[in-house]
Amino acid sequence: ETGVTQTPRHLVMGMTNKKSLKCEQHLGHNAMYWYKQSAKKPLELMFVYSLEERVENNSVPSRFSPECPNSSHLFLHLHTLQPEDSALYLCASSHARTSRGDQPQHFGDGTRLSIL
Amino acid sequence: AQKITQTQPGMFVQEKEAVTLDCTYDTSDPSYGLFWYKQPSSGEMIFLIYQGSYDQQNATEGRYSLNFQKARKSANLVISASQLGDSAMYFCAMREGPTGYALNFGKGTSLLVTP
Repeated sequence: ETGVTQTPRHLVMGMTNKKSLKCEQHLGHNAMYWYKQSAKKPLELMFVYSLEERVENNSVPSRFSPECPNSSHLFLHLHTLQPEDSALYLCASSHARTSRGDQPQHFGDGTRLSIL
Repeated sequence: AQKITQTQPGMFVQEKEAVTLDCTYDTSDPSYGLFWYKQPSSGEMIFLIYQGSYDQQNATEGRYSLNFQKARKSANLVISASQLGDSAMYFCAMREGPTGYALNFGKGTSLLVTP
C-alpha cells in the first residue's frame, strides 16, 4: 500500500491538449517532488516543493507547470507537449530537510504519459 | 559528469543466493546521503536502505545491507537469500550537501532471480 497516490495511472494526449497530473500524499510529509523517467535514462528531477514553496526547478520547459496548493497535494499541468515528453512521471514526498535531517523520498506508482 | 555509476545493466541470481549490486558515486561534498530503491515492473519506486556519509556502520535493513567503502566512493547493495519477488530494477541515488533536495540517480541494474 502506497502513501503517495498518483492519478491518472495512464494518460494519452495529443500535442495540443491540456491535462494535469495529480499527486496526493498521506504520510505527513512537507516536501514533494516531480521526476521524469524516460527509457534508458536516469530519473530526472523536475521540481521540488518544500513547505509549499518551490525550492528547485531543474531547467524544465515551460510547457510543464507545477502547482502545490498545500503540503499534501501536488499537480503537474501539461500544455502543448512534444513526443519526447512521453515518459513515466513519478511523484515523491519526504520530510523537509530542515526538520529531520536526511530523509528518504517515498514515491507513487507514477503516471505513464504518451504523447501522440 | 555522472554522479552515480551502476556498471551492471543486468544481473542474474538463483533463488536463496546472495547478490551484490554495484554503485560508485562522485562528489566533493563531505556531507551526502546514499539511497537504494527498487522498482518492480509496476513502476513504483520502493525505498530500501540509506547510508549517510558520516555513518560509521554499514546500514542494514532485513535482507538488505549496504557495503559502504567511503575511500573508494562505493556503496554496493547486498541482498541476502534472494527471493523471486526481488526481480526488479534497482537504483542507487545520492543527495549532496546538508540541505539539498535533489536526488541524483544511476541508470539502474535489472535483477532477475531464477528458481
